[in-house]
Amino acid sequence: AQSVTQPDIHITVSEGASLELRCNYSYGATPYLFWYVQSPGQGLQLLLKYFSGDTLVQGIKGFEAEFKRSQSSFNLRKPSVHWSDAAEYFCAAFGQNFVFGPGTRLSVLP
Amino acid sequence: DTGVSQDPRHKITKRGQNVTFRCDPISEHNRLYWYRQTLGQGPEFLTYFQNEAQLEKSRLLSDRFSAERPKGSFSTLEIQRTEQGDSAMYLCASSPGQASYEQYFGPGTRLTVT
Repeated sequence: AQSVTQPDIHITVSEGASLELRCNYSYGATPYLFWYVQSPGQGLQLLLKYFSGDTLVQGIKGFEAEFKRSQSSFNLRKPSVHWSDAAEYFCAAFGQNFVFGPGTRLSVLP
Repeated sequence: DTGVSQDPRHKITKRGQNVTFRCDPISEHNRLYWYRQTLGQGPEFLTYFQNEAQLEKSRLLSDRFSAERPKGSFSTLEIQRTEQGDSAMYLCASSPGQASYEQYFGPGTRLTVT
């Protein structure tokens, strides 16, 4: 069955520190991959997407993600976290339809 | 472009009642999706439309759930004979068309069944 896993339920980082959120997928072929962010009371916002080509993709708000076929992973990174990045982050994959991971909640310490 | 809107934002209903939610997608977006999100989980796909055609339905969408997009613009999601397990956030998203899988989400409708 198609699935997306995010091993970390909750991550806390200090403001200015680097960030990596993990995402793994299980599909028969490489799906299209996405990262979304959801702030309290807000709709999900697309950060970045991977369809094909360059395995390092740049997104909005200074985020980037790297696709690694050998590890079935699509990890999200940011070199320096801002307090406003505190939110819930969802990895998603599209094969026949969209499947979202369970999310990782990011807390940022001042 | 005013984004995807959903109405109502909150709905409290008693078990057994019927409820209907509305989603207005971004204008000229051909695809419209419905999801359900429970606390601590990611969105779960329910169904999607290409214009007015409902192309796919999840097994999560029981017979009590029905969705329509009559003119290929706004969509409604109806839940009949609500159960407490239906309590969740119902999200709508739209997408520009066949070549794009970028979804733009609305703020959601939070349903509480008492």
